[in-house]
Amino acid sequence: RKEVEQDPGPFNVPEGATVAFNCTYSNSASQSFFWYRQDCRKEPKLLMSVYSSGNEDGRFTAQLNRASQYISLLIRDSKLSDSATYLCVVPDSGGSQGNLIFGKGTKLSVKP
Amino acid sequence: EPEVTQTPSHQVTQMGQEVILRCVPISNHLYFYWYRQILGQKVEFLVSFYNNEISEKSEIFDDQFSVERPDGSNFTLKIRSTKLEDSAMYFCASSGLDRFYGYTFGSGTRLTVV
Repeated sequence: RKEVEQDPGPFNVPEGATVAFNCTYSNSASQSFFWYRQDCRKEPKLLMSVYSSGNEDGRFTAQLNRASQYISLLIRDSKLSDSATYLCVVPDSGGSQGNLIFGKGTKLSVKP
Repeated sequence: EPEVTQTPSHQVTQMGQEVILRCVPISNHLYFYWYRQILGQKVEFLVSFYNNEISEKSEIFDDQFSVERPDGSNFTLKIRSTKLEDSAMYFCASSGLDRFYGYTFGSGTRLTVV
């Protein structure tokens, strides 16, 4: 059974902190990986794609370890607006069909 | 920025009734999807649709569910006889040529079955 596992949190951090989330996936055929952000009762929104060993976009860094089937997301200098649930997402069927498998998400709360 | 539009935003229905959830995907996208999220749980894949037919469906997508693209713009999900456990947020999504390019979710329809 193909699964995506995440630490559910919640992570409660002060503004300016650095926080890291981890994710493991079971489908070794996956070639691409994603981090989505979901605000309460809203749709998931793509935060970052990870195709090779890693990707950096401003304060956000995603890393991939294929051998360990492990993905991480690092957020530096946390802002209040970063408070959300972060979803680790992996394509099903190695990506041949386009449907996605979601983790349960890690909840982040950034406090003043 | 192009959007996936879903209507209605909230629907309340009685158990056993049929509901149709509507979606307008991004106009040049080729792949269309329905997902659902029961409150407090993870987002789950229901069905994918390409070239006017279902390309893949999950175990959740049983005979009570059907999808249709009745014209060039709408993509609908029908639940024939709703059950209490169908209460969830239903998200439509669409994507571009390489399946993951521009993968965009609509804002969802909250379905409440009473």
